[in-house]
Amino acid sequence: DTEVTQTPKHLVMGMTNKKSLKCEQHMGHRAMYWYKQKAKKPPELMFVYSYEKLSINESVPSRFSPECPNSSLLNLHLHALQPEDSALYLCASSWDREYEQYFGPGTRLTVT
Amino acid sequence: DAKTTQPPSMDCAEGRAANLPCNHSTISGNEYVYWYRQIHSQGPQYIIHGLKNNETNEMASLIITEDRKSSTLILPHATLRDTAVYYCIVRARPANYGQNFVFGPGTRLSVLP
Repeated sequence: DTEVTQTPKHLVMGMTNKKSLKCEQHMGHRAMYWYKQKAKKPPELMFVYSYEKLSINESVPSRFSPECPNSSLLNLHLHALQPEDSALYLCASSWDREYEQYFGPGTRLTVT
Repeated sequence: DAKTTQPPSMDCAEGRAANLPCNHSTISGNEYVYWYRQIHSQGPQYIIHGLKNNETNEMASLIITEDRKSSTLILPHATLRDTAVYYCIVRARPANYGQNFVFGPGTRLSVLP
């Protein structure tokens, strides 16, 4: 298995909702990442997990809460989002933080 | 901040070689050059990386100048499916503390029939 999967593909949520994005990889990678990408902009790093521990939080608001339950799974919990949080959320993984990253297809999030 | 500069857009005729340049004049000795691409509405795709020697794989070739201040990604026979935004990224390996992949604006390559 050489891919990163993300669910759901699309998500529409209200500003008072709580939802979660899920990312999974079965390549034995030990680093996993969340990126946010606004339309016509490059991806921006949000969080880095290394060996299931959060190693980087790029000053992301607390309404985004990452979780790494095990080495294959990465979640992003969403609560009280704003319309400006609407974006493509990308998950990636790599063998280690040193190595090239492999990306999932993304979840397109719309906050109404 | 991205440490690379790339032209914002390029066109290439289908079947011809696409040569995508990247300037990284402040590259350090332990920084590798990575290339990714992102086809519309998909996740970025890793293409290739190199330190100082030229590299080739099934997708592309990477040519790095001797002074390592610039590089060129070559898609030898571009197809319509190669239309994408191409990102050139420099990053140390082993990674300096806190250093991550930083995506710049990239080059939007349009392969024309």
